[in-house]
Amino acid sequence: GEDVEQSLFLSVREGDSSVINCTYTDSSSTYLYWYKQEPGAGLQLLTYIFSNMDMKQDQRLTVLLNKKDKHLSLRIADTQTGDSAIYFCAESRSGGYNKLIFGAGTRLAVHP
Amino acid sequence: DTEVTQTPKHLVMGMTNKKSLKCEQHMGHRAMYWYKQKAKKPPELMFVYSYEKLSINESVPSRFSPECPNSSLLNLHLHALQPEDSALYLCASSQRTGENTEAFFGQGTRLTVV
Repeated sequence: GEDVEQSLFLSVREGDSSVINCTYTDSSSTYLYWYKQEPGAGLQLLTYIFSNMDMKQDQRLTVLLNKKDKHLSLRIADTQTGDSAIYFCAESRSGGYNKLIFGAGTRLAVHP
Repeated sequence: DTEVTQTPKHLVMGMTNKKSLKCEQHMGHRAMYWYKQKAKKPPELMFVYSYEKLSINESVPSRFSPECPNSSLLNLHLHALQPEDSALYLCASSQRTGENTEAFFGQGTRLTVV
């Protein structure tokens, strides 16, 4: 995950909004993804954004993309305890194959 | 059905054993992947299969041998592994291999090499 960077830990109070940030390096990446991983489990695709979009909203999730700064964020509104997990951003590298390069993951802890 | 099913969920094997990990999807996806995830690290790509042919091998040691018997199945054959190969092995599939396709992941096989 050396080419995709994320902060490692975020703690929020239940009901607040969470914002998880990510920076990536490959300006030719056309798709950027957010995955969720609960303890001992596989990866769940949460959402993705095309590189020609600035924002995408999907229920409680809002993705913002600043292509100039290569900065991606995931906002979770009304964070719940069930949102506690590790969140990975990933870029899909060009070259014809869907090679996902993941960030190190941000551990989100939601407390009452 | 948007599931990718991996078996077994857990596997403990000795360094002289031969075992196989299995992955199955019935979404009609033509691209399948193996990723390896070490503890507290992000997943890293190992292999990509496109239309049952090996397209990418990310310099994986030969003690890991992938196989794609048909468009729904992907295996990973393991032989003479080392303790440092202990990890969560994740299978994924996507409609095709283009960079703009969503990849769906299985729950993984947690492998421990003793």
